[in-house]
Amino acid sequence: GAVVSQHPSRVICKSGTSVKIECRSLDFQATTMFWYRQFPKKSLMLMATSNEGSKATYEQGVEKDKFLINHASLTLSTLTVTSAHPEDSSFYICSAMGDRKVETQYFGPGTRLLVL
Amino acid sequence: AQTVTQSQPEMSVQEAETVTLSCTYDTSESDYYLFWYKQPPSRQMILVIRQEAYKQQNATENRFSVNFQKAAKSFSLKISDSQLGDAAMYFCAYRTLTQGGSEKLVFGKGTKLTVNP
Repeated sequence: GAVVSQHPSRVICKSGTSVKIECRSLDFQATTMFWYRQFPKKSLMLMATSNEGSKATYEQGVEKDKFLINHASLTLSTLTVTSAHPEDSSFYICSAMGDRKVETQYFGPGTRLLVL
Repeated sequence: AQTVTQSQPEMSVQEAETVTLSCTYDTSESDYYLFWYKQPPSRQMILVIRQEAYKQQNATENRFSVNFQKAAKSFSLKISDSQLGDAAMYFCAYRTLTQGGSEKLVFGKGTKLTVNP
C-alpha cells in the first residue's frame, strides 16, 4: 500500500517553455501533497505544500508564479514549471500523506528535469 | 526552527555486519515524529522506520532499529546483518508544523552508506 507515482520520470525541454509534472497517489486518498526539489548529492528542499481543493502554501524563497501547483483531487497534484530556465534543472520529488493517524509521507519516484 | 544534523557524510560496512548512522535534532516541541528514509541509486525515497516521540520504546523494523534518546535529542539508525541492497543515501527527518498549521519534514543532509561484499 501507499504507492505514489510521478509522471514523467524525466523530461528535457527548451528554455522558455513550461513543463507539467504529475503526482498521483495510487491506492490511497492524499489529503496533503508535498513538492520537493533535490540538487545533486544534496538533501530534499521543500518547495510547497498543497491540500486538496485549496491553494498551495509555498516555502520562503520559492516563486509561486513560477512553480504552479494544483491539487485538484484527492489523488492528483500537478507542478508546472513555467518559463523554464536552465537553473530550474533539478530532480523534483512529490510526496503524499493521507491517513493523519499514520503521519507519514510516501514519496514518488521523482522527475528529472533538464532545461536546455 | 527545527534542525536535523547528520554528522557522517559517508559510512561503509561489510556485508553481514552492523552499522549505526547518527542523527541529532534540535527542537522545543515535546511531541513529534522522527523518520529515517532511504534513497537508493534509483532515487526513490523509501520509508525505513518511524518513531513517535511520546513512545519510549525504540522502533524496530526487521533488521532496522533505532536508538531514540529524547533527552539527548538523538535518533540513530542501526542496520543489522547489512546486505548489498542496503547501500543508499539515508536521510533522517523530523516532522514539524508550520506557522500555518500544515506539516513539513525537515531533512538532514544525508549519509551515504556503502556495503562492501
